[in-house]
Parts: sequence; C-alpha cells; structure tokens
Amino acid sequence: DAGITQSPRHKVTETGTPVTLRCHQTENHRYMYWYRQDPGHGLRLIHYSYGVKDTDKGEVSDGYSVSRSKTEDFLLTLESATSSQTSVYFCAIGGGRTSGRSREQYFGPGTRLTVT
Amino acid sequence: QKEVEQDPGPLSVPEGAIVSLNCTYSNSAFQYFMWYRQYSRKGPELLMYTYSSGNKEDGRFTAQVDKSSKYISLFIRDSQPSDSATYLCASLSYNTDKLIFGTGTRLQVFP
Repeated sequence: DAGITQSPRHKVTETGTPVTLRCHQTENHRYMYWYRQDPGHGLRLIHYSYGVKDTDKGEVSDGYSVSRSKTEDFLLTLESATSSQTSVYFCAIGGGRTSGRSREQYFGPGTRLTVT
Repeated sequence: QKEVEQDPGPLSVPEGAIVSLNCTYSNSAFQYFMWYRQYSRKGPELLMYTYSSGNKEDGRFTAQVDKSSKYISLFIRDSQPSDSATYLCASLSYNTDKLIFGTGTRLQVFP
C-alpha cells in the first residue's frame, strides 16, 4: 500500500457523534486525498491537501472537514456523523516527492465506518 | 451524465481468455488516464498510467487511449483466476488535481 496506513480500520459510531479518521504516509508525497467508496457511486473525492495547511474541497465535502499539520498526516473529521456517511473511506497520496509534478495516486487499505 | 462511464459487469471469462475492459469519458480536457485493480475489501492498486493517446504495455496488461472517441481500454492477456477483481478507470485533466473515477467493472476469471 505504498507506505500508507489508515486508522482505525473499522469503526462503528452513533449518529451525531464526531469521528476522526487518520491517514499516515511514509513516502513524503506532497498531495494527500480522502475518498469515500459506495456501491453504485464508485470512488468520490471528499477533500484533498496539496501541502501542509493547504486543503481544498472535493465532490462530496459537506459534513466533512480536514486538517494537515504535518506532511505525513492527513485527518478527516465527520463533525456530526449521519447514517448517510456510512461508507468505506480511502486515503490516497500522490503528486510526487520533489518539485516535479506526478499525477499517479496510491491508495491506503481503507477504513470501514458504520454510523448507526 | 457522469464524466467517466464504466459498465459494472460482472464480466465472467475462462482462464486463459483475453479480457477487454472499457470506459468512456466526456471531458475533452482529460489527459491522464489510469487503471486500478481492487480486490475485495482492499484498497485500489495502480495498474497502468498513461498520458494522452496511445498504448502502454506492462506484462500481460495493455492500456489503450483513443482521445478522438474518448474511449479507454484495458486488455488482459492469458487471464488468471488471480485477476478476479474490480477494475476502475480514472481520468484527470492537466489543470486539476481531482481524479475522476468510473464505478468499476467486476471481473471473474474461472479455472
């Protein structure tokens, strides 16, 4: 998984509670991404980061926030979890390690989140 | 209309067959094209990456892009049961960092 870990790997939580998912990389890639994967929708971008403290919204960002205080860590927070946020969440890294721009993205193992 | 369309399958083939997986896209600005393989309950794994039109070969896999018809293909030669997975195509344009995925095609290769 290209030096990417996600924690927790599984989580069950109740509606209305805040949840934070963590992505950690050891590859020193500039870009980090959060996706969710749902049947019939495929992978959809939630938020991404193009550097420390630099983030931007994706296709399905409502109800989610992110933070990146270090190159290696990217956090995804569900501010008040809802049942519609039950999904599998994947972190990805990309952009290359140097000033050159690389377009490939490499994915982590995923976090399976259930909101009851 | 989704920007990247992909038949969900499942596609079931015998071992040794040549497999053709296809996607169409609508955004003419797309210049980068990728194929990912995803095993059940695992993260997507990058298989092939191509820029603009043309073919790229890696072992039993060939990726093909036809920008004139907005069609991208992945061919698998001598398919194996271990190739059974979901295959995702993805595209992005030069001036964006947002990769757009198809919904994936499930492939089953039976012995």
